[in-house]
Amino acid sequence: AQSVAQPEDQVNVAEGNPLTVKCTYSVSGNPYLFWYVQYPNRGLQFLLKYITGDNLVKGSYGFEAEFNKSQTSFHLKKPSALVSDSALYFCAVRVNNAGNMLTFGGGTRLMVKP
Amino acid sequence: GAGVSQSPRYKVAKRGQDVALRCDPISGHVSLFWYQQALGQGPEFLTYFQNEAQLDKSGLPSDRFFAERPEGSVSTLKIQRTQQEDSAVYLCASSSTSGTPTDTQYFGPGTRLTVL
Repeated sequence: AQSVAQPEDQVNVAEGNPLTVKCTYSVSGNPYLFWYVQYPNRGLQFLLKYITGDNLVKGSYGFEAEFNKSQTSFHLKKPSALVSDSALYFCAVRVNNAGNMLTFGGGTRLMVKP
Repeated sequence: GAGVSQSPRYKVAKRGQDVALRCDPISGHVSLFWYQQALGQGPEFLTYFQNEAQLDKSGLPSDRFFAERPEGSVSTLKIQRTQQEDSAVYLCASSSTSGTPTDTQYFGPGTRLTVL
């Protein structure tokens, strides 16, 4: 079975400061990892994904994520947070031999304060 | 191009009523997924279609839930005899290819179902 953990329910950061949203995973097999963002009353919006290759993945809106196989982590980062980044962030994993569905973490609410 | 659309956006049902939720995937997308998102939680997989074939329905919580995609495009998720525990946001996603785990799934805005 595959699972994803987002250990922080909420992350607070001041505008202009760097942000990190944590994600760890557990799979048997090679993981394919995704980050999505959800704004109020809207669906999930794709940010970035790790498939293979370079461990640092760059995505939309200045976000990036670092894949760390030894720590089974895929933390989301941004060098300088914006108030408009405030939203709910979901990490998800997919494994080649486990069907096509995404398995999501519980989500982390990011609050960026001016 | 248009993204994934879902209708209705909001649905209120009395316990015991049947409901039907519609999903229009991105044009040409082969794969279609339904997820259920309970309040304060991450989405959970319900079912998967490749064109018109329902290849995985392992996430459907009971036989009251039924999904179809008869022409390989629009999909409908039907819930019979709704219960209060069915209250959730139902998300639809589509992806361009079939059976490729690296494929990106694109989500619709969801249908918020409230069962009274």
